[in-house]
Amino acid sequence: EAGVAQSPRYKIIEKRQSVAFWCNPISGHATLYWYQQILGQGPKLLIQFQNNGVVDDSQLPKDRFSAERLKGVDSTLKIQPAKLEDSAVYLCASSLGLAGVSHEQYFGPGTRLTVT
Amino acid sequence: KNQVEQSPQSLIILEGKNCTLQCNYTVSPFSNLRWYKQDTGRGPVSLTIMTFSENTKSNGRYTATLDADTKQSSLHITASQLSDSASYICVVSAVGNTPLVFGKGTRLSVIA
Repeated sequence: EAGVAQSPRYKIIEKRQSVAFWCNPISGHATLYWYQQILGQGPKLLIQFQNNGVVDDSQLPKDRFSAERLKGVDSTLKIQPAKLEDSAVYLCASSLGLAGVSHEQYFGPGTRLTVT
Repeated sequence: KNQVEQSPQSLIILEGKNCTLQCNYTVSPFSNLRWYKQDTGRGPVSLTIMTFSENTKSNGRYTATLDADTKQSSLHITASQLSDSASYICVVSAVGNTPLVFGKGTRLSVIA
């Protein structure tokens, strides 16, 4: 079974530039998550999709971050404009259903973003 | 506030030795607790998941324990190997569709 795919793996941009990350979840997984993981911290949920609808985006900085999952499969996360504090690893995860009911989350390798 | 605290923050052990990592949580109402292993530059990978009624679960050389009364969990690694070097993250889920609560992780280094 193929895992969660993410690209790019690494990205370096200057502050105030824009960047986009792509995620392809495991086939058949209805739920997709984007996490931000700052060095030395645990992942922080940014947004959760159930199929193509948003379930939770309460911690997404909506003034600069946006995400979409138009066809209920792939997803993109965009930052515009980037700030220095956005430097982190952005993890995508997917699960069959909702994680709160013991559905396992499977994580991708992440995209390491460095903002200079 | 739902929180997960892990200790120690980092740990260095010799290859072949055992070690135990700790996790305390305040998440309520409790649904399940997971331990993840995160290698450098990789995403977290699940090691174990335990519900309220389970107090021990093993996955090879990894054994997790759960005391739901004291809201504590531990991850015991037996006969450590160099490949065990990673961050180990404790994650707790509350009942219902609420975000998972992640600890900051314990950074384990196994040296020869």
